[in-house]
Amino acid sequence: ILNVEQSPQSLHVQEGDSTNFTCSFPSSNFYALHWYRWETAKSPEALFVMTLNGDEKKKGRISATLNTKEGYSYLYIKGSQPEDSATYLCAFKVKLTFGTGTRLTIIP
Amino acid sequence: SQTIHQWPATLVQPVGSPLSLECTVEGTSNPNLYWYRQAAGRGLQLLFYSVGIGQISSEVPQNLSASRPQDRQFILSSKKLLLSDSGFYLCAWSATVGELFFGEGSRLTVL
Repeated sequence: ILNVEQSPQSLHVQEGDSTNFTCSFPSSNFYALHWYRWETAKSPEALFVMTLNGDEKKKGRISATLNTKEGYSYLYIKGSQPEDSATYLCAFKVKLTFGTGTRLTIIP
Repeated sequence: SQTIHQWPATLVQPVGSPLSLECTVEGTSNPNLYWYRQAAGRGLQLLFYSVGIGQISSEVPQNLSASRPQDRQFILSSKKLLLSDSGFYLCAWSATVGELFFGEGSRLTVL
């Protein structure tokens, strides 16, 4: 069983502050790492698909980095807004094994 | 454009009853198809995935089964539901490489 771990499990951030969280995955036989945002009462939506060591991807205020040699990825949110409140999931693409997610709550 | 639908959205079933959740994809051919489950307080657990008609891989031993009778149809079934089968089930598709696109989800409560 592949262990994909995310930390922290939950996070409360003041509106306007920046934050980041971590996804750890096995560093051997890397194929791809995905980040998803899962808002309440909706389906998960893809944020990033990352395949290369050193990859950095950005979408608006959200960005992600990837280190395949040490087996981790960081997701950053700059200037948090209430609409960023969601559970953020990473998935390791050998059969897309998901971590347990980081539940982010933005405090207005 | 591609779309994915799954149904029913909500289901309340007694222990021991059968289950059938259906998922269909439109606008693409030969997608990879997945069934995930989120049990209470847990992440998304991969149950089954399929790379083609009749090709099903099971990730977790359980009393559930999956079938892919057509290229863009994926069915999750059980002959006898257990209390532990309660949860939120998500169907998803992807191209050979790339992101997952999820259906709307099916919430199953087994009483």
